[in-house]
Amino acid sequence: NAGVTQTPKFQVLKTGQSMTLQCAQDMNHEYMSWYRQDPGMGLRLIHYSVGAGITDQGEVPNGYNVSRSTTEDFPLRLLSAAPSQTSVYFCASRSTGYNQPQHFGDGTRLSIL
Amino acid sequence: AQTVTQSQPEMSVQEAETVTLSCTYDTSESDYYLFWYKQPPSRQMILVIRQEAYKQQNATENRFSVNFQKAAKSFSLKISDSQLGDAAMYFCASRADNDMRFGAGTRLTVKP
Repeated sequence: NAGVTQTPKFQVLKTGQSMTLQCAQDMNHEYMSWYRQDPGMGLRLIHYSVGAGITDQGEVPNGYNVSRSTTEDFPLRLLSAAPSQTSVYFCASRSTGYNQPQHFGDGTRLSIL
Repeated sequence: AQTVTQSQPEMSVQEAETVTLSCTYDTSESDYYLFWYKQPPSRQMILVIRQEAYKQQNATENRFSVNFQKAAKSFSLKISDSQLGDAAMYFCASRADNDMRFGAGTRLTVKP
């Protein structure tokens, strides 16, 4: 039962470096999303996708790019990392239907120096 | 846009007692869903309970139940017979369309 798999679990970057956080799910879910979690602020939606080839912005999209070429994968790209992007990142997926619960990955702790 | 507010940054409860975590939300959508998630130190996000806004009956999952007051836009979580394993951060969340918003969380401590 893999569920939602995120890699890496931890990463340290220097300001200006680029990085791709990987997310894969094996539940054939159409909806996938990325969140960031900062202390005292809960989770905030960065980008989401309702299916292969379709992506849209969430609450805090600036500085991040996404693409969805397959149902299974939804990578998150930081093109030029900034210290403000230091956070814990969660990927989630769910089946269609708004009452369906999201399944979360274990998170990636990203530190940008 | 939706907003979710959890006014209790920290709560504590004695083992076997009952505790209620508060959550208020604001949305202009008529069709929305509410959730409580638990995040233990392992960082996993675990669904505790969910409520469809169109349902008047409060959701219940074993020791966990909600008090959903739609007019007041309130969605509190009651944990009965608290166990040591209930210690965690608890997040309230609201979802309408593809937009999901989380509260800032409540850290629950369970005292033996």
